[in-house]
Amino acid sequence: EVQLVESGGDLVQPGGSLRLSCAASGFSFSNYWMTWVRQAPGKGLEWVANIKGDGSEEYYADSVKGRFAISRDNAKKSLFLQMNSLRADDTAVYYCAKIQYPQPHIDYWGQGTLVTVSS
Amino acid sequence: DIQMTQYPSSLSASVGDRVTITCRASQSISIHLNWYQQKPGKAPKLLIYGASSLQSGVPSRFSGSGSGTDFTLTISSLQPEDFATYYCHQSFGALTWTFGQGTKVESK
Repeated sequence: EVQLVESGGDLVQPGGSLRLSCAASGFSFSNYWMTWVRQAPGKGLEWVANIKGDGSEEYYADSVKGRFAISRDNAKKSLFLQMNSLRADDTAVYYCAKIQYPQPHIDYWGQGTLVTVSS
Repeated sequence: DIQMTQYPSSLSASVGDRVTITCRASQSISIHLNWYQQKPGKAPKLLIYGASSLQSGVPSRFSGSGSGTDFTLTISSLQPEDFATYYCHQSFGALTWTFGQGTKVESK
């Protein structure tokens, strides 16, 4: 059974940093692209970043480019999101998710972790 | 960047109704269009991928159609468990993705 469990969400001040983690199990982690998607309170889904299975390619939404970094540790079956220069509009539930091909789509989601940026 | 326009933003329907939700891309995305269902406090759930392929385990009353720029999600006969918010998602173009704004399906 595929499981994705996020952790690391917290209350952080504007301008601060936070690192989210996602522990994966139940599939061959290194063979799959992974993604982070966020959802601000009461709002819709917003794609954040994607990373290739071997970590060699990364893609970011314009809203986080230069501030966030996606990474992975395939030996530990873990996905990460390093978030720097956090702003109030980064407040959201952050979901870790697995990408399936062909016609890329998200077939499994974690339960999400809440990041609140506030002074 | 590819923009996705989803409409309506909300609709009211009754059990048994046929429901249609539309998503339009700002440029052609071939069939790289997916649909998700989300209930309050829960993670989204994949319904349709590749515009028209039904995800395993999803009831056959859900169907998707379209290609290029115009796509549709149809629920043929709305069931009580289908009241939720639905999102389209384009996965075309250098892996920079976008979601539609969402459609909330409410009970009439």
